[in-house]
Amino acid sequence: GAVVSQHPSWVICKSGTSVKIECRSLDFQATTMFWYRQFPKQSLMLMATSNEGSKATYEQGVEKDKFLINHASLTLSTLTVTSAHPEDSSFYICSTFLNTEAFFGQGTRLTVV
Amino acid sequence: AQSVTQPDIHITVSEGASLELRCNYSYGATPYLFWYVQSPGQGLQLLLKYFSGDTLVQGIKGFEAEFKRSQSSFNLRKPSVHWSDAAEYFCAVGANRDDKIIFGKGTRLHILP
Repeated sequence: GAVVSQHPSWVICKSGTSVKIECRSLDFQATTMFWYRQFPKQSLMLMATSNEGSKATYEQGVEKDKFLINHASLTLSTLTVTSAHPEDSSFYICSTFLNTEAFFGQGTRLTVV
Repeated sequence: AQSVTQPDIHITVSEGASLELRCNYSYGATPYLFWYVQSPGQGLQLLLKYFSGDTLVQGIKGFEAEFKRSQSSFNLRKPSVHWSDAAEYFCAVGANRDDKIIFGKGTRLHILP
């Protein structure tokens, strides 16, 4: 069964609104969660690393004020795309480790219109 | 910092033919290497991984990969492909067993009937 549950699997929002994506670890505690984005027909690019109870670490070029990451509990990390624009349309995927193996969420297809 | 190069963007092979997907990595120490497969609109599935030990790694679906330190390579192979193998394949590298994973740009595999 799924180890990491990501929700929603797809979302359409209007330009200027905010969208929250949730990533839950099922039956285990995920102290670290990685957030990736994938543009169509491109690779996964690491956006940020979130650690429970502390501020996320963002990769170079990722706007931390636009992509808000919260990791308030050991089983839930959230990514909020604030003031979304069409160029934010992408596939967002979360990932964490369990027993040295990486597990990925199912991904969220965000379309901003 | 670690990086991954997949020199082939697209590869086309006939069903039943052998397959080799190339991957070169850059990392100062012994890397942790992965191959993932992604079907259209889907999440990622781990095919195999290399942490240490035997440099020839067996994975799921009949795939294998060989770690060659002298060539900084971790090529993926399959002796006989099936039409269901058509997908996007990503090579990835990590610095530690549970650290962020950096992905290559991917190779799209097409299968001819």
